[in-house]
Amino acid sequence: RKEVEQDPGPFNVPEGATVAFNCTYSNSASQSFFWYRQDCRKEPKLLMSVYSSGNEDGRFTAQLNRASQYISLLIRDSKLSDSATYLCVVNRASWGKLQFGAGTQVVVTP
Amino acid sequence: DVKVTQSSRYLVKRTGEKVFLECVQDMDHENMFWYRQDPGLGLRLIYFSYDVKMKEKGDIPEGYSVSREKKERFSLILESASTNQTSMYLCASSLLEGSNYGYTFGSGTRLTVV
Repeated sequence: RKEVEQDPGPFNVPEGATVAFNCTYSNSASQSFFWYRQDCRKEPKLLMSVYSSGNEDGRFTAQLNRASQYISLLIRDSKLSDSATYLCVVNRASWGKLQFGAGTQVVVTP
Repeated sequence: DVKVTQSSRYLVKRTGEKVFLECVQDMDHENMFWYRQDPGLGLRLIYFSYDVKMKEKGDIPEGYSVSREKKERFSLILESASTNQTSMYLCASSLLEGSNYGYTFGSGTRLTVV
């Protein structure tokens, strides 16, 4: 089983709609969770950390479900510029290192 | 903002060549990492370093070596390039407790081995 698993998509979303997707992780001891955004042929960039109680950053909401070992990302009022691949990231059992999922592609259409 | 700079954006090398990929960060981060990214496989850790002259193997170290002589610089070396090393290579850096704060990536080097 992969340490971090994501639905690769693509999720095709009309502009203005809401899209949500999950990622599951295998290490029940994980403490740090992030969502990264990666545009085509660019480097990953930190979108937001994910906190235990859930958190929002503008139109983006992240949730953590420790019991079921998944995190989620919800994007409200989708913009064309939200088209990207979203990487789920979890800290590994080995100190200081992060494990990246393969990403979920989101395509926002006019 | 932390800046992580990779020396080349695109490289084309021949099979058997020795290849050096350079990475420099400007925020005094202790940790530095080399990943490769391939379609469908995501980011895979090649090597990382948590201090000068310190290095540890990641998940796929075979065919690679690294050098960290100065804190700000982390080099990835392909001893004898092969076509299966054609990939996007990403360097990243973080504070010592990087798993709490996330990583900052360089813009990547797209290496083609012919």
